[in-house]
Amino acid sequence: QVQLVESGGGVVQPGRSLRLSCAVSGITFSAHDMRWVRQAPGKGLECVAVISYDGSNKNYADSVKGRFTISRDNSKNTLYIQMNSLRPEDTAVYYCGKERGWFSDLAYAMDVWGQGTTVTVSS
Amino acid sequence: QSALTQPPSASGSPGQAVTISCTGTNSDIGGYNFVSWYQQHPGKAPKLMIYEVAKRPSGVPDRFSASKSGNTASLTVSGLQAEDEADYYCSSYAGSNIVIFGGGTKLTVL
Repeated sequence: QVQLVESGGGVVQPGRSLRLSCAVSGITFSAHDMRWVRQAPGKGLECVAVISYDGSNKNYADSVKGRFTISRDNSKNTLYIQMNSLRPEDTAVYYCGKERGWFSDLAYAMDVWGQGTTVTVSS
Repeated sequence: QSALTQPPSASGSPGQAVTISCTGTNSDIGGYNFVSWYQQHPGKAPKLMIYEVAKRPSGVPDRFSASKSGNTASLTVSGLQAEDEADYYCSSYAGSNIVIFGGGTKLTVL
């Protein structure tokens, strides 16, 4: 079955870096855009980054632009996000999500989500 | 990239219908037919309930329906059941492959 498994979360000091991974199985990974969505404690959802199916296009929320970098390795069916210069307000559960559409036929909806990995930024 | 506006809470008794609104602008909801709705139970990942304004993914009960008018989208849950109690989030395409979310609505089944 389709499975997305995030890893790499943890406790980190402000200003430090962390890389999250999302291992994907059960789908044609290289056919789908992928997104990272975060949820701060007790708060709503925020899409922080998106990458196209072939990795050629990347977009970021203003809140993380210049600090976070999304990438993917289609040979390993894995999605990544490199988070630098972390701030306390980056504390959240980070989910990876699969775009429902195929290639450029996008629905801008995520039909499969991982279980999430927790990032805590604190001194 | 401002968030969409949802009421913080909604409620209804079992068997009743409840509607949750989601208000945006001409740059998001009003500009595209890419509104989605997600259900999230405590401690769980969100689940896609509606995409492209009114389409239901396979496995989502037809008690869940949705629509859009102008800059406002709506999700209606009919025949409320206890398991429908959850947080509901709307989202919309906002250009440049960016998706924005609403602040969420906590649905309580009385």
